[in-house]
Amino acid sequence: DVVLTQTPPSLSATIGQSVSISCRSSQSLLDSDGDTYLNWLLQRPGQSPQLLIYSVSNLESGVPNRFSGSGSETDFTLKISGVEAEDLGVYYCMQATHAPLTFGSGTKLEIK
Amino acid sequence: EVQLVESGGGLVQPGRSLKLSCVASGFTFNNYWMTWIRQAPGKGLEWVASITNTGGSTYYPDSVKGRFTISRDNAKSTLYLQMNSLRSEDTATYYCTRGNWEFDYWGQGVMVTVSS
Repeated sequence: DVVLTQTPPSLSATIGQSVSISCRSSQSLLDSDGDTYLNWLLQRPGQSPQLLIYSVSNLESGVPNRFSGSGSETDFTLKISGVEAEDLGVYYCMQATHAPLTFGSGTKLEIK
Repeated sequence: EVQLVESGGGLVQPGRSLKLSCVASGFTFNNYWMTWIRQAPGKGLEWVASITNTGGSTYYPDSVKGRFTISRDNAKSTLYLQMNSLRSEDTATYYCTRGNWEFDYWGQGVMVTVSS
């Protein structure tokens, strides 16, 4: 199974600070169809996960553009440019290029 | 507005069965694959099962293969998860999600506790 390693496991940020979360894959996530099925999700406390970014860098409808995704093959990054209070929660990367679909272990973002 | 509403969770003894339901609304249900994802208490996310839009094909990880069955009734816009031979490690919140990788909509989740 593909292992997704997220770093850091937790981070603390002040309002307005920019932060980045890394997701490294044990295998290339470039699919034979040319797409890379790497998504980012946010789970706020007590809520269901929500999709933020799909296919590495595509912003889901309704998600603020302070969120951005980048990367390729095995190394991916989620960046939040100017953290806001509502951004606290656990961020997960997930891959669907290789079966079975797998998730990273999560990065918990706290607001100072 | 897209809505996914799960039900059917609860406390069940090891070895017993439980069936979850997810009623979908706000979109054309039979156009989409559907997926169940679970989250053990205080843990991360785990894929449980996916089904094609017609219900013709289903997919499972090894951890539940042979014990869980995903199905759907497109006439009722309802997704199901039949869980047999339940184990303590199946204790989790189970989420119904739209898609087989996009997961753009999630239900509120339903708790399943397997304990004697």
